[in-house]
Amino acid sequence: EVQLVESGGGSIQPGGSLRLSCAASGFTVSYNYMTWVRQAPGKGLEWVSVIYSGGTTYYADSVKGRFTISRDISKNTLYLEMDGLRADDTAVYYCATVGVTGALDYWGQGTLVTVSS
Amino acid sequence: DIQMTQSPSTLSASVGDRVTITCRASQSISSWLAWYQQKPGKAPNLLIYKASSLQSGVPSRFSGSGSGTEFTLTISSLQPDDFATYYCQQYNSYPYTFGQGTNLEIK
Repeated sequence: EVQLVESGGGSIQPGGSLRLSCAASGFTVSYNYMTWVRQAPGKGLEWVSVIYSGGTTYYADSVKGRFTISRDISKNTLYLEMDGLRADDTAVYYCATVGVTGALDYWGQGTLVTVSS
Repeated sequence: DIQMTQSPSTLSASVGDRVTITCRASQSISSWLAWYQQKPGKAPNLLIYKASSLQSGVPSRFSGSGSGTEFTLTISSLQPDDFATYYCQQYNSYPYTFGQGTNLEIK
């Protein structure tokens, strides 16, 4: 059974850094396209980043240059390194698999990041 | 970036009703469109992919149609479990973009 469990969220001051983790089971992260999606409180969904099985990455303009997506093959875990955090980065961050159909077919439960002074 | 516009933003309906949600893309996305259902405090759940294909395990009362720039999600007979927020999402090109959501509420 596919399972994704995010961790690493919390409260952080503006300008700070945080690393989110997404531990996967039931499949191999490095063989799949993986993505991060976020949702600000009471708002809609916003795509953040994707990493291909081959390692190619893409980012939303809003996070480009500040966030880095990566993975650890030995831990079967996806990461999102977030630097230069701003108040508008406050959101629940979800990791998800990009299925063979191209749609996001498995999601984690999310982890809340709050950026505030 | 491709803009996705859903309508309506809020939809009030009763159990047993047939409802339709529309999603428009600012440029053609072929059939690279997905629909998700989200309940409060939960992650989104994939319902439809490639505009009209039903995800495994999703009830057949859900259906999707469209191509190019106009898409619809239809629920043929609303069940109590269907009251939630629905999002469309294009995956034709990066950045992936979502519609603003449609809140389906009980009349």
